[in-house]
Amino acid sequence: NAGVTQTPKFQVLKTGQSMTLQCAQDMNHEYMSWYRQDPGMGLRLIHYSVGAGITDQGEVPNGYNVSRSTTEDFPLRLLSAAPSQTSVYFCASSLQEDQPQHFGDGTRLSIL
Amino acid sequence: AQKVTQAQTEISVVEKEDVTLDCVYETRDTTYYLFWYKQPPSGELVFLIRRNSFDEQNEISGRYSWNFQKSTSSFNFTITASQVVDSAVYFCALSAYSGNTPLVFGKGTRLSVIA
Repeated sequence: NAGVTQTPKFQVLKTGQSMTLQCAQDMNHEYMSWYRQDPGMGLRLIHYSVGAGITDQGEVPNGYNVSRSTTEDFPLRLLSAAPSQTSVYFCASSLQEDQPQHFGDGTRLSIL
Repeated sequence: AQKVTQAQTEISVVEKEDVTLDCVYETRDTTYYLFWYKQPPSGELVFLIRRNSFDEQNEISGRYSWNFQKSTSSFNFTITASQVVDSAVYFCALSAYSGNTPLVFGKGTRLSVIA
């Protein structure tokens, strides 16, 4: 029972590079979301999706893109990495947005 | 808009002390859900409890208890007889039931339990 799987676990990028953080869940959850966690800031919502083909912006969406072509996958794309995007990124899923979230183990991303 | 405030940034207690983590929320919805999550030093996020706005009964689970008071918009979390393993960051979160409303987290309270 894999739950929510995030890859990679660690990544170092140079400013201006692009990359995709992968997130997959095997629980047939409709709701998926991406958060970033920075010291003293808690968890801030980047983007979320209530089902395949539907995405919406959260609190801090700038610099990130998402898509939801399948129920299982919800990748997060950094178009042109900036040092301000250095953070720990968590993907989460749940049956619905008012149900407990299942979190992945996180991706620690450093932008130099 | 939804908002969750955890005023206590860091708390330090000696083992076996009781400790209460405060959570105050704001929402205009009459139906909503409140959550607590734990993030131990290993970094994963662990779900602790979910409570809906119509259920104001206090909840007890072992050494953990939760006090939900709609009158003060608070959902406080108490750990009785704290242990070193309780050391973690604890997050309170809110989800309103107005359709497609994402979960909003507080900034967390870092609890350190000293042996």
